[in-house]
Amino acid sequence: KAGVTQTPRYLIKTRGQQVTLSCSPISGHRSVSWYQQTPGQGLQFLFEYFSETQRNKGNFPGRFSGRQFSNSRSEMNVSTLELGDSALYLCASSLRGDHSPLHFGNGTRLTVT
Amino acid sequence: AQSVTQLGSHVSVSEGALVLLRCNYSSSVPPYLFWYVQYPNQGLQLLLKYTTGATLVKGINGFEAEFKKSETSFHLTKPSAHMSDAAEYFCAVSDLDSGTYKYIFGTGTRLKVLA
Repeated sequence: KAGVTQTPRYLIKTRGQQVTLSCSPISGHRSVSWYQQTPGQGLQFLFEYFSETQRNKGNFPGRFSGRQFSNSRSEMNVSTLELGDSALYLCASSLRGDHSPLHFGNGTRLTVT
Repeated sequence: AQSVTQLGSHVSVSEGALVLLRCNYSSSVPPYLFWYVQYPNQGLQLLLKYTTGATLVKGINGFEAEFKKSETSFHLTKPSAHMSDAAEYFCAVSDLDSGTYKYIFGTGTRLKVLA
């Protein structure tokens, strides 16, 4: 079974631009979560989607948004990029979105210049 | 709110020595507990999980963890470190909060294995 796929692996953007990251979960998994990972802040939870509905949201500004499609694939969007948005963005899927284990993709490394 | 504390952001051990990575959680009700490992330029990978039942949990790559309710701990151990164990390790809990399960991760412990 294919794992969680994130595209693209690397992105370089300029401050003020917007970016869209994509995540394809493991087949059959209905929950998709997004995390931001930085050296200083560690893993920060962004949001979780289950069956196309946002169930949980972390403490990030409204510039960060996401959605989930009917095939469980998910996208996250960051508008008006800031230098501080440079990070590794990780997507994780789980079977039921309860306490079932998270399966992570290899992430998208975003650099904002 | 639930929290997870990992003691030691960096741990160094010699190859062949015991690995001990510490994790404490805060909850009066035992949550679901996990250890994940992250190798450079990769996502996190599940090492092991505790849900219910046996308090000693065996995972992949020779790692195991013991759930101790009285100490609210879930420390990760491996009897003999290998160079390939060098990575960052995250302890996590999944707890019911306002009707949905939420994952809380510790800040991670970077393991260095010395030859």
